[in-house]
Amino acid sequence: DGGITQSPKYLFRKEGQNVTLSCEQNLNHDAMYWYRQDPGQGLRLIYYSQIVNDFQKGDIAEGYSVSREKKESFPLTVTSAQKNPTAFYLCASSTGQLFQNTEAFFGQGTRLTVV
Amino acid sequence: GDSVTQMEGPVTLSEEAFLTINCTYTATGYPSLFWYVQYPGEGLQLLLKATKADDKGSNKGFEATYRKETTSFHLEKGSVQVSDSAVYFCALIFTGGFKTIFGAGTRLFVKA
Repeated sequence: DGGITQSPKYLFRKEGQNVTLSCEQNLNHDAMYWYRQDPGQGLRLIYYSQIVNDFQKGDIAEGYSVSREKKESFPLTVTSAQKNPTAFYLCASSTGQLFQNTEAFFGQGTRLTVV
Repeated sequence: GDSVTQMEGPVTLSEEAFLTINCTYTATGYPSLFWYVQYPGEGLQLLLKATKADDKGSNKGFEATYRKETTSFHLEKGSVQVSDSAVYFCALIFTGGFKTIFGAGTRLFVKA
């Protein structure tokens, strides 16, 4: 079955450490996204990528980094520069093609807790 | 700028009650509109969509009509169930666009 997979589901990090969240999709989608969700709040866009080897900052990119070396993969690194990293992180993908269905498909999320 | 505004939650209903969750948008063009649903501890799932004015999206008993004149896309269901308890997000995207703009989400609790 096609889909988008995030791992791990739960992640604990000590303060001052970098941590990488995985996101893989087998939907052949060009565009991929990372969102952050805080309790009781909506989604905020961290980074997005329209195509391999290209990505753009979203609304809250500070303290995060990404790479897009393969079409299927869009890992997110939460660096020690991110002051409040505890949150629920959602990865999504879409076709990104003109005049195609543009809805986003989401992974199950990774809950990151800084201890 | 482009934005989506949803009614604040939580919304608490008894089983079999009628549901309306209001959504209005501000956009410079003609976006596609979506409702997504998020169950506890999970990602978002597409619930329904409409791509042009007067289109009605429907799925699992939920409906929403794209109203250009009122820039609205209100979500309705005639008879809610306990299993409908979730957070509902209204969203928009422009054709050929890459960024989906989400509302803040509305939490729905349905009591048995």
